[in-house]
Amino acid sequence: EVQLVQSGAEVKKPGESLKISCKGSGYSFTSYWIGWVRQMPGKGLEWMGIIYPGDSDTRYSPSFQGQVTISADKSISTAYLQWSSLKASDTAMYYCARSEYVQKGPDYWGQGTLVTVSS
Amino acid sequence: QSALTQPASVSRSPGQSITISCTETSSDVGSYTYVSWYQQHPGKAPKLMIYDVSNRPSGVSNRFSGSKSGSTASLTISGLQAEDEADYYCSSYTSTSTWVFGGGTKLTVL
Repeated sequence: EVQLVQSGAEVKKPGESLKISCKGSGYSFTSYWIGWVRQMPGKGLEWMGIIYPGDSDTRYSPSFQGQVTISADKSISTAYLQWSSLKASDTAMYYCARSEYVQKGPDYWGQGTLVTVSS
Repeated sequence: QSALTQPASVSRSPGQSITISCTETSSDVGSYTYVSWYQQHPGKAPKLMIYDVSNRPSGVSNRFSGSKSGSTASLTISGLQAEDEADYYCSSYTSTSTWVFGGGTKLTVL
């Protein structure tokens, strides 16, 4: 069974760093792209970027370039999304999702990680 | 500012059909060939309903279909059921090798 299991909810202060994770199982982790999607409270979905764990090819949406870092550790089938300095506006639900090829819509999604940034 | 425009909300009665549009408003969307549609129920992760404009993943009801004409992609849901009530998002791969979502459409089944 294909599963993407994300790390648990986080509560952080502005300026702090954070790395959330997404562990894939039930499929060849290095053969599928993993994308990250943000959903701010009560708002729509926003593509952040995507990585191919097989060779770490990473692409960012312009709005998120330089704001976050996407990475993957294929040895443990885990993708990451990290921030070096959080802002209150980073408060959102973050989803990881798997794509068979880079242009295709993701078919499996993680359960989401809620990140709350508040002083 | 999204490059894909969707109606904010639509409503129909059970048993009826509905078509939700997704119009490309930016040249960054490129060929607009890789359009996907997602269903999201409150508090849940999105679910892929249509990919590559008109392909349906296994397990998705054949009441859902996708199409495209010019710069507008469409999701059609036939025989509406109460469980179809959800938010629907279109998404497209862009010419800059990234993706963009539409603003989402809230479907109410009256």
